[in-house]
Amino acid sequence: DTGVSQDPRHKITKRGQNVTFRCDPISEHNRLYWYRQTLGQGPEFLTYFQNEAQLEKSRLLSDRFSAERPKGSFSTLEIQRTEQGDSAMYLCAINQGLAVDEQFFGPGTRLTVL
Amino acid sequence: AQKITQTQPGMFVQEKEAVTLDCTYDTSDQSYGLFWYKQPSSGEMIFLIYQGSYDEQNATEGRYSLNFQKARKSANLVISASQLGDSAMYFCAMIAIKAAGNKLTFGGGTRVLVKP
Repeated sequence: DTGVSQDPRHKITKRGQNVTFRCDPISEHNRLYWYRQTLGQGPEFLTYFQNEAQLEKSRLLSDRFSAERPKGSFSTLEIQRTEQGDSAMYLCAINQGLAVDEQFFGPGTRLTVL
Repeated sequence: AQKITQTQPGMFVQEKEAVTLDCTYDTSDQSYGLFWYKQPSSGEMIFLIYQGSYDEQNATEGRYSLNFQKARKSANLVISASQLGDSAMYFCAMIAIKAAGNKLTFGGGTRVLVKP
C-alpha cells in the first residue's frame, strides 16, 4: 500500500463529455504529481502541486485540463470535452522521501473515451 | 532536458535465473536520481529501487540491484532469482534533484516474462 488512493479506477465516457478524477493521499504530503500513461508508453508528467499551489504544468496539459488541490490534501483532475486521444491511465503520485523526491504512485484511473 | 532510453522492449527469463534490464540516460544536470518501477498488468506503479548520482555504492533492495555506471550514463537493473510474480513491465526513470518539483522522466519500458 503506497498510501494513495484514486477514484474511480476505471471510467468509460463518450467523446465530448467532462470527467473528473480524484487522488487521495492517506496522510499529508507536500508534493502531489499527476502523470498520464498511454498504452505501451511510460508515464508522462502533467502537473504538480506543492501544498495547494500548482507550481508547474506540462505542455501536455491543454486548456481542456484543469487540476486542483484546494486544501493541500486531495487533488482533482478534470478533463472537459473529452477526446479519444485522452484515453489513457492517469496516475497520481506523492513524495515520501526526506532527502530525495522518491515518488509513490496510486493505482491509477484508466480512462476510455468512446 | 532529460532522456531515458530502454532498448529492450521485451525479454523472456527462466524462473530462478537472473535478468538484467538496460537503461541509459542523458541529462545536463549534475545532481540527479535514478529509479526503477515495476508495473504489473493491474496497472499500479511499484517503486523498486533508487540511486543518487553522488552515491558511490550501487543500490540494492532485496533481489533488486542497480548497476550504476556514471561515466557510461547507464543504470541497469538486475533481478536475481527471478520469480513468476516478476512478470511485468519495468520502467527506468530519473529526476533532476532541485529544491522543488522533481518530476520524473520515464523510459519506454521493458516487458519481462518469467517462464516456469
